[in-house]
Amino acid sequence: SQQGEEDPQALSIQEGENATMNCSYKTSINNLQWYRQNSGRGLVHLILIRSNEREKHSGRLRVTLDTSKKSSSLLITASRAADTASYFCATDLINDYKLSFGAGTTVTVRA
Amino acid sequence: DAMVIQNPRYQVTQFGKPVTLSCSQTLNHNVMYWYQQKSSQAPKLLFHYYDKDFNNEADTPDNFQSRRPNTSFCFLDIRSPGLGDAAMYLCATSREGGYTGELFFGEGSRLTVL
Repeated sequence: SQQGEEDPQALSIQEGENATMNCSYKTSINNLQWYRQNSGRGLVHLILIRSNEREKHSGRLRVTLDTSKKSSSLLITASRAADTASYFCATDLINDYKLSFGAGTTVTVRA
Repeated sequence: DAMVIQNPRYQVTQFGKPVTLSCSQTLNHNVMYWYQQKSSQAPKLLFHYYDKDFNNEADTPDNFQSRRPNTSFCFLDIRSPGLGDAAMYLCATSREGGYTGELFFGEGSRLTVL
């Protein structure tokens, strides 16, 4: 069953702007992950944040996690045309080592 | 260097004609997953293997079967594809068993059912 839900469903921004997307989930987790999917391709892992972490950075990516609100955000700074893709959050439930994906946010970066 | 390889990338079949999709990995990961992804939807887990142990999701139709003859290979068999089975099928692997770490995905196999 789908655990995470992303918001917004779609996002269109100008190159150089920041893009922020949010993920909410329902039950307690071990960790939360973000993936990127280019059109017609497989998913690529971006970042993993554990339930005892609040913020994590990787290059132009910043992820936050608020376990009290059961939510996470992904920020892409200084966006580029190559960032155009769908972004998915995925949660790993406690006592269950499967990953459940949300429906994703489609990001379009205009040149 | 592709680490999870799926074949074929594109598969066209007729209604009811069996299809087999393959996945191979060079990562020596214990866990292998098959996800189904329909257009603009979340990837949906069909089943996974932890080593040789097969784990079927409760809502995976009986029409879908899987085989894992060894660590490196995993197959998805669709016995009688229907129009609703047209989707992207994604294979993924994971090293950790106790809890899921990063998943490594293949490029997917897109199935069209005529």
